[in-house]
Amino acid sequence: GAGVSQSPSNKVTEKGKDVELRCDPISGHTALYWYRQSLGQGLEFLIYFQGNSAPDKSGLPSDRFSAERTGGSVSTLTIQRTQQEDSAVYLCASSLTSAGYYGYTFGSGTRLTVV
Amino acid sequence: KNEVEQSPQNLTAQEGEFITINCSYSVGISALHWLQQHPGGGIVSLFMLSSGKKKHGRLIATINIQEKHSSLHITASHPRDSAVYICAVVFGNEKLTFGTGTRLTIIP
Repeated sequence: GAGVSQSPSNKVTEKGKDVELRCDPISGHTALYWYRQSLGQGLEFLIYFQGNSAPDKSGLPSDRFSAERTGGSVSTLTIQRTQQEDSAVYLCASSLTSAGYYGYTFGSGTRLTVV
Repeated sequence: KNEVEQSPQNLTAQEGEFITINCSYSVGISALHWLQQHPGGGIVSLFMLSSGKKKHGRLIATINIQEKHSSLHITASHPRDSAVYICAVVFGNEKLTFGTGTRLTIIP
């Protein structure tokens, strides 16, 4: 597609339930990133995929968070046993190369609300 | 620790004014990006800099590698420029580290 597509755009879930967030990057972009932005806060790195390399998971806040990228394209971020502090906008971005030398394209995000 | 600092945090100016937003970082970087986030939340990549200066329309971005400092300038500011401007750098680990953002409001 023309841009980075994320789904769902909004998700309300009950505390303790699992959620899956999807990111469809721009075709051909080798790098894919997940970030989150809590209300009134800055952007926080979660995980980074680059080509076939092992992902950089150093930003994942707990073992309840995991992500995978299948076939070097679509990525899914999974949050297990959601907590209220997980409420945030989850943003996905992709770039043609690492370090974003040709810029980053961000998706519109998934607004997650845990009630 | 790899850090990125932006100033000011908030900036309100009259339409037509020249705007400067500053970004400093702590250690050497691979690249620096300026991003724009509008109230609806969408983020747009404005510039990628590894040296020198870039210009796009009324936006100008500069970087001084030795001083570990970058500036984003907006000439002839307009209310539609109102947004949060975010400086983000790529340290050696290849992921973006974000500044806290500068909320710019341009008053007609």
